[in-house]
Amino acid sequence: GEKVEQHESTLSVREGDSAVINCTYTDTASSYFPWYKQEAGKSLHFVIDIRSNVDRKQSQRLIVLLDKKAKRFSLHITATQPEDSAIYFCAASPLSGSFNKLTFGAGTRLAVCP
Amino acid sequence: EAGVTQSPRYAVLQEGQAVSFWCDPISGHDTLYWYQQPRDQGPQLLVYFRDEAVIDNSQLPSDRFSAVRPKGTNSTLKIQSAKQGDTATYLCASSRTGVEQYFGPGTRLTVL
Repeated sequence: GEKVEQHESTLSVREGDSAVINCTYTDTASSYFPWYKQEAGKSLHFVIDIRSNVDRKQSQRLIVLLDKKAKRFSLHITATQPEDSAIYFCAASPLSGSFNKLTFGAGTRLAVCP
Repeated sequence: EAGVTQSPRYAVLQEGQAVSFWCDPISGHDTLYWYQQPRDQGPQLLVYFRDEAVIDNSQLPSDRFSAVRPKGTNSTLKIQSAKQGDTATYLCASSRTGVEQYFGPGTRLTVL
């Protein structure tokens, strides 16, 4: 089955700098790659996703890059703010019909320091 | 739009006891997922439904775990004879398109 590895377990950046979180996956059939944010004591909240028909997607300060050849995708958070501090999870799924069987990485704890 | 709701929020059991978790998905969402999230790990899919039908329950850890969604709306996940290794947060998620999943607050289970 699919395996998703999240390379950074912790990441610390200064406010205003960019943060980059990298993930790799194993299943070439994976075609959907969402990112979720989990703040302390709360559940997962969807932040952005990318599908395999594009290699870049941006939503405000969030950019997702996808390299299908390397089976690698990354989340870039620009101009970081203290409220970006959270655990970020990447996931991968081989979209099949209307079902979405997500495999998650282990999470990256991002700290944005003032 | 109300989000996914789950109850209870916390449960503490002795080994061997049974426990049930309840999930109410977002209205109109036909697909419902149950995940297990051990401490400091990512969520791991246990089972998912389309309406009342189980689509895939192959990731349920053992026959001690069962899940139902009898009317295609609310769902119950049950653990018979809990073990310490079951300690985790149990998350419910729902989706309408099958793509973007919306997660509930979770039930944090501790088995002593």
